Amino acid sequence: EIVMTQSPATLSVSPGERATLSCRASQSVSYNLAWYQQKPGQAPRLLIFGASTRATGIPARFSGSGSGTEFTLTISSLQSEDFAGYYCQQYNNWPLTFGGGTKVEIK
Amino acid sequence: EVQLVESGGGLVKPGGSLRLSCTGSGFTFSTYNMNWVRQAPGKGLEWVSSISSNSDYIYDADSVKGRFTISRDNAKNSLYLQMNSLRAEDTAVYYCATLHYGDYYFDYWGQGSLVTVSS
Repeated sequence: EIVMTQSPATLSVSPGERATLSCRASQSVSYNLAWYQQKPGQAPRLLIFGASTRATGIPARFSGSGSGTEFTLTISSLQSEDFAGYYCQQYNNWPLTFGGGTKVEIK
Repeated sequence: EVQLVESGGGLVKPGGSLRLSCTGSGFTFSTYNMNWVRQAPGKGLEWVSSISSNSDYIYDADSVKGRFTISRDNAKNSLYLQMNSLRAEDTAVYYCATLHYGDYYFDYWGQGSLVTVSS
């Protein structure tokens, strides 16, 4: 099983600032990496797939990068609606596995 | 608009059984691989089970293998999860989700159904 590790667990950021979230895979997943956003009481929402492709309707301030074992989600200028939980997921191998999540909170 | 609506959650005693359902609309249900993903209270996401569009392959997480059974009825646009021998650690919100056509990330999610296993 591929283990996905996200860091930090919590990120405190002021509105308008940049947020950088990390995701590491225990073995290479090539570009088969997705990011999801989850707000309290809501289902996850797909943000990024293929490590760097934004899903339909996702604002350009969200960007993904990386390949192999190291990935990054960057939110260029945090808006109030971006304070939420974020999860990475690898889909290179079964079982499909998620990282433990990063909570982005208001500083 | 794609919609996935789960039902069937509730409170069940350890060792008991429960069946979750998920009904899809706004897309061609029969062409999508379907999944269950769960989230324990205050915890992260855990993939549970997947079933291909025509039910010819099924994958289960080791944590539920032999206890949970995924199935679908394409004529009813419905996905099911039969959960037997439930344990306290199965307590979670269970989400129904589609796998993106031809790939293995989750593009649409239901609102979730809470399953609580407690005596």
